Amino acid sequence: GAVVSQHPSWVICKSGTSVKIECRSLDFQATTMFWYRQFPKQSLMLMATSNEGSKATYEQGVEKDKFLINHASLTLSTLTVTSAHPEDSSFYICSARDLATGRFDEQYFGPGTRLTVT
Amino acid sequence: DAKTTQPPSMDCAEGRAANLPCNHSTISGNEYVYWYRQIHSQGPQYIIHGLKNNETNEMASLIITEDRKSSTLILPHATLRDTAVYYCIVRVSIYNQGGKLIFGQGTELSVKP
Repeated sequence: GAVVSQHPSWVICKSGTSVKIECRSLDFQATTMFWYRQFPKQSLMLMATSNEGSKATYEQGVEKDKFLINHASLTLSTLTVTSAHPEDSSFYICSARDLATGRFDEQYFGPGTRLTVT
Repeated sequence: DAKTTQPPSMDCAEGRAANLPCNHSTISGNEYVYWYRQIHSQGPQYIIHGLKNNETNEMASLIITEDRKSSTLILPHATLRDTAVYYCIVRVSIYNQGGKLIFGQGTELSVKP
């Protein structure tokens, strides 16, 4: 099946710094990628949808200037958490859809990135 | 997209069938039922989806009632590795339109030896 990777798998950073998380589709071209955030014992919350070559669409309540998303190629999307604070500590998960081959009914998820802000 | 209701937790004995229910009484005619699962600290995994007919694949079976207001995911022979949170999601599936998944709280399935 299709594989989505994330890097890094975990990261610890100091408050006020920025952190970049990469999401890659390894064996297919992902025209659309999604970013989710998950706090402990809670469900996944969709943050934004990114389409290759265009601006991301953010869900209500998600600050676009704080969570910068770039989808510059068909296999890579990045999420940058700017000026991170302890409340941004969470599990960040990306997913990707492959429209080209018609597998539009399935989203392939990455393994997640654990961010801890101290 | 229609909302879903799932029991927060269930137990199942190893080797037995696990039947996970989902209510989606406000589902529309063009909305599909999707099931994903998330093993602890991993990304979600697609299991199965359907519109109105029952579906089966190598992982599970999906039974959708005739009025489509509820469905059941069946894991025929649960193993310890099936312990996870199972999410039932209802959404429109239209090629090249959106496709975002909205996750509810899911059912935490514990398979016990």
